[in-house]
Order: sequence, then structure tokens, then C-alpha cells
Amino acid sequence: NAGVTQTPKFQVLKTGQSMTLQCAQDMNHNSMYWYRQDPGMGLRLIYYSASEGTTDKGEVPNGYNVSRLNKREFSLRLESAAPSQTSVYFCASSGDRKETQYFGPGTRLLVL
Amino acid sequence: GNSVTQMEGPVTLSEEAFLTINCTYTATGYPSLFWYVQYPGEGLQLLLKATKADDKGSNKGFEATYRKETTSFHLEKGSVQVSDSAVYFCALLYSSASKIIFGSGTRLSIRP
Repeated sequence: NAGVTQTPKFQVLKTGQSMTLQCAQDMNHNSMYWYRQDPGMGLRLIYYSASEGTTDKGEVPNGYNVSRLNKREFSLRLESAAPSQTSVYFCASSGDRKETQYFGPGTRLLVL
Repeated sequence: GNSVTQMEGPVTLSEEAFLTINCTYTATGYPSLFWYVQYPGEGLQLLLKATKADDKGSNKGFEATYRKETTSFHLEKGSVQVSDSAVYFCALLYSSASKIIFGSGTRLSIRP
């Protein structure tokens, strides 16, 4: 039982490049989330998906797009990376008990 | 709007010291309250929770009591260990919402 997995673990991009962060969960959870974590800012919600086929904006959605490919997978895309998007990105999922979110190990992204 | 405020870190203590990390919240109604912990290099994991006023959540020697009158949910532990070194996040969830609001996190370092 892997829980929540994320790929890649680390990525360096140049300004303007695009990339997709992958997330998958094997707990049959309906809800999935993407957060970014910056020093002194805690976790900020980028997008979430309450169920397969639906996505909603969180606190900081600008510059990102998401796809809920199926119940297991929720990807985050940066179309044109900017240095301000340098951060650690966490994917999470939750079942019916939404207070318990299960987090992946994170992706550390550096945009030069 | 709803928000969570926690004491700024870092907090540095000696092993076996008493720990308090303050957390206050702003919310209308009666949210559920949580403490999440992030160990170095890992994602967040739920430490404890309380779903109504005067409830006490506890886990791994940590405790927090839901105080509606002071809108607080302070985290305490009687005797900390080096292995407790981590970042601690206070959070709240509205029953009608599908997303958790996290505080900015408090880094705790324990000296042997």
C-alpha cells in the first residue's frame, strides 16, 4: 500500500519551460489536493478535486492548471514556469473523513 | 474569513522539557481543529484532532484541547524527545467545506 506518490522528487526548470507534476493515490479517495509550501507561508492550496471529473481553484491557482485524470491520479501543470513558482509542492488525498488528509513526500521545484 | 494563527518559530528546547505551541483560530460556527506534523523530508501527517468544544485530542504524548471561549487549540507535551523535532501545523476544517486551512507552521528543534 503506497499511499500517495509523487513524481518527480526534484526538478530544475528554466523560466518559461513547462512541466507536469504527477500524483497518484491507491486509497480509493474521492478528494485530492495540490499545495505549495514556502518558508514562513505554511501550506497554500493551489487546486483541489472533490471527486473524479471536478476541479476547483484554491488560494493560489494563478500560473497552474490541473487534471483529474481518473480517481487515482491528479496532475499539476505549469505552462510557463516563473521563479516565483520555486517551491515544494505537496499532493494530498482524503476520503469521506476530510479532516484526515494523506500527503505525498513532495516535489522540490527550482525555477531559474 | 476563516484563518489559523500559530506562534512563530523556531522553537528550541532541551530534551525532557515541557512544550507548548500556541494556536488560535478565526471562524464562524464550529470548525474541527487539527495538528499536523511534518518530519524532515516528508509530507504532513495528522497528529491529533478535536471536533467540538472541550474535546481533547491526544497522540504520541501530545495533547490539545478545543477551547471555544478563547478560540484556541494549543499543542502541549510534557516531556519532549529529540525525535519530536519537526514542523507542526495547526489547521481547521469547516464541516461544510472540502478543504483544510493550515497555519504557517512552527519549527521545533529538540537538543539532546
